[in-house]
Amino acid sequence: QQQVKQSPQSLIVQKGGISIINCAYENTAFDYFPWYQQFPGKGPALLIAIRPDVSEKKEGRFTISFNKSAKQFSLHIMDSQPGDSATYFCAASFNDMRFGAGTRLTVKP
Amino acid sequence: GAGVSQSPRYKVAKRGQDVALRCDPISGHVSLFWYQQALGQGPEFLTYFQNEAQLDKSGLPSDRFFAERPEGSVSTLKIQRTQQEDSAVYLCASSFRGGTGELFFGEGSRLTVL
Repeated sequence: QQQVKQSPQSLIVQKGGISIINCAYENTAFDYFPWYQQFPGKGPALLIAIRPDVSEKKEGRFTISFNKSAKQFSLHIMDSQPGDSATYFCAASFNDMRFGAGTRLTVKP
Repeated sequence: GAGVSQSPRYKVAKRGQDVALRCDPISGHVSLFWYQQALGQGPEFLTYFQNEAQLDKSGLPSDRFFAERPEGSVSTLKIQRTQQEDSAVYLCASSFRGGTGELFFGEGSRLTVL
């Protein structure tokens, strides 16, 4: 049972474009919202994370937007590059961490 | 090594066999998590330890699944009488402290049940 719902399942973007992935959660006890990046055959690795006391966090080309009242958050990848092609997972945590189903991003050269 | 280490990386079992998957977390990490990742899906929570205490095992799919971390370091996930539906990648992750924070994942153990 997914406690975090993620969309879209897959996304194709041209090089230089903006990739946007969305997540929604139900449990208001969650207090940490990370995004993980996973390449084939590897474990997920933390990309960027946010806590609910801020509405936006930016690290380089990656930005999380957080809407506490709507219980939604999103990942924006600016100037998408072919090397960004991977599967991205949103997650939400209180004591343990629950993951979305993933978005397979393909960035075309 | 400096990261989370899992072994074996690949395991093929015949249906009905028992398997044991090992996780070596990052030294000093208090929390340890096991996840099951089916092909094309997100990691599904199985169980969570803080030191040697198993604080949450609500994600274990059946009583055939058992996890332990007896000395608060290395953990073993055991699956008894494996079934085909157990085929998946089993991911272990650790974090420095309890509660929320970054999880560091191993590369996973891929289990195939024939």
